[in-house]
Order: sequence, then structure tokens, then C-alpha cells
Amino acid sequence: SQQGEEDPQALSIQEGENATMNCSYKTSINNLQWYRQNSGRGLVHLILIRSNEREKHSGRLRVTLDTSKKSSSLLITASRAADTASYFCATSRGGTYKYIFGTGTRLKVLA
Amino acid sequence: EAGVVQSPRYKIIEKKQPVAFWCNPISGHNTLYWYLQNLGQGPELLIRYENEEAVDDSQLPKDRFSAERLKGVDSTLKIQPAELGDSAVYLCASSLDRPRTGVGTGELFFGEGSRLTVL
Repeated sequence: SQQGEEDPQALSIQEGENATMNCSYKTSINNLQWYRQNSGRGLVHLILIRSNEREKHSGRLRVTLDTSKKSSSLLITASRAADTASYFCATSRGGTYKYIFGTGTRLKVLA
Repeated sequence: EAGVVQSPRYKIIEKKQPVAFWCNPISGHNTLYWYLQNLGQGPELLIRYENEEAVDDSQLPKDRFSAERLKGVDSTLKIQPAELGDSAVYLCASSLDRPRTGVGTGELFFGEGSRLTVL
């Protein structure tokens, strides 16, 4: 079973534009992570935000977390064709290291 | 440093045949995960190991799936007999997480996956 759901399921933008994808989850969490998966490859960790944090930055990535709404967003600024991939959020519940993934957003960046 | 290594990368078998997947985690990572990923979906946890102990196998279909992690390093996931619905990508991941001591970065390192096709 999937803990989170990403929205939108698919997103197509032009190079240079910003991409925003959202993740909603169901139960209280320890932390929330975002991963990227290129077609036919494994997942790569992008960023982790803890439940007591509200915003985090890493390069062109900005993640926000709203625990009251049980949601998170990932913003990729100045997107590049190489950002074309599927993006997944993953959550772990309090006291566990069991990571549950969402359904993913498929991002396509057009050159 | 070598990443998580999985083999085989691709496997095609007839239904009712057995199949096995192998995973070698990053050196020093004591937590190992097996995930199943269907096309267009996110990974779903099958089993999680801390060293050689399976600490969460609640979603592993035990009638046909089995896993082991002897000596707390490499791991194998086996399906016997395979069914058509088992066609998917089987992903292995490892992490530095040490739940018993509360130490961990939370970051999972994934292998490239083993793509299974059951005909």
C-alpha cells in the first residue's frame, strides 16, 4: 500500500520554467524525502525534510512541509532537460525506518 | 565507492518457474530493503532487514516469496513458483540507518533493479 500520493501524476514544461509537484500523506511522519528515478534506473535521493522543519533548499530544489495539512511540495527552479524523470516522495512514521513511497509525478522538460 | 549492486538486470521466465534475485549493498550499510515496483507506480516495500534479521516482512507474500540475508551482507529474494502478476522491477536498497540506536541519515541508496517478465 502507498502512503503518499503525488500530484500531478504527469507534468510537461519548457526548459527554464519552474516545476512544482506535491505529495500528500495519511499518517504522522518522522521525515519526508524526495527521490528521482530516471527511466529504467534506480531511485536517487534528492532531499530529506524532518517533521519539525518547514522548508529546505538544495541547489535548485526547494522543499516545503506542512504537517497540519499532511503535505509537501517539491519545487525545481530553472528546469533542464536532464530533470526529466519520475519524482517520488517517501515518508517514515514515528520511530520506524520503514519508508513508504508515493505514486510519483512524471516530469518531462522540453528543450 | 561501489553502489548497491543487483543481478540479474533482466530476467524472462515462464510462469511456474522459480527465479532468484541477488543484492550486494553498500559496504557498512546494515539495513537492507527489497521493494517491488510495478510499471508507473512507486516502490512497495516487501521486506526490510537489520543485519541478518528480517524486521518487517509483513508485505512479503510468503506462500511464494522468500528472502534471506545470511551474514548480514548480501541478500537474495526468491519467487517460487512465479506467476504472471509477478512481472515487475525488484529494487534493492541499503542505508546506514541503525534503528536500535536511533542513528541514521534516512537516505536510501538504490540499485538499478532487476526487471522480471513472467510469460
